[in-house]
Amino acid sequence: AQSVTQLDSQVPVFEEAPVELRCNYSSSVSVYLFWYVQYPNQGLQLLLKYLSGSTLVESINGFEAEFNKSQTSFHLRKPSVHISDTAEYFCAVSEGAQKLVFGQGTRLTINP
Amino acid sequence: NAGVMQNPRHLVRRRGQEARLRCSPVKGHSHVYWYRQLPEEGLKFMVYLQKENIIDESGMPKERFSAEFPKEGPSILRIQQVVRGDSAAYFCASSTGTGGGEQYFGPGTRLTVT
Repeated sequence: AQSVTQLDSQVPVFEEAPVELRCNYSSSVSVYLFWYVQYPNQGLQLLLKYLSGSTLVESINGFEAEFNKSQTSFHLRKPSVHISDTAEYFCAVSEGAQKLVFGQGTRLTINP
Repeated sequence: NAGVMQNPRHLVRRRGQEARLRCSPVKGHSHVYWYRQLPEEGLKFMVYLQKENIIDESGMPKERFSAEFPKEGPSILRIQQVVRGDSAAYFCASSTGTGGGEQYFGPGTRLTVT
């Protein structure tokens, strides 16, 4: 069975500092990996995804994530955060057109 | 280009009543998924449907919960005889079912049982 572990439930950082949100997964087969962002009282928005090919994937707002098969990780990074990045971030895994299995979420708080 | 639509956005029910949550997928998407988010928790898969078929209902509680995705109209998640523990945010997602199965989420329905 698939599972996802987000190692940090809360991450506070100062504005313009770098951040890394950690995600590890377990699966017996090849998987697809996703990061979703949830702003307060809203639904989830896809931030970025790894399906195949280059192990480094990027989003349009400066986030990137690297798929590491040997460490079964898909950590999310941003070199310089902004106040508007305050949100909850969810890592998820799927085996194609099947259900998504989510981690518990990491609440990113940006302090001025 | 409308995304996933869910209604109502907020629903209040008394214990014992029925709750009906509706989801209209992205135009052209034939795969629908329902997830539940309990307070301070991540999203948990409930059910995966294609038009007129339930593909995977492994996350659905055995009693009181049912889901459908008819040939015409939105997908419906139905909760009978609601209890306080059903209070949660219910999210619907849709996909084309191809490639990596990328899912697009609706804004959710926040159910409160009093």
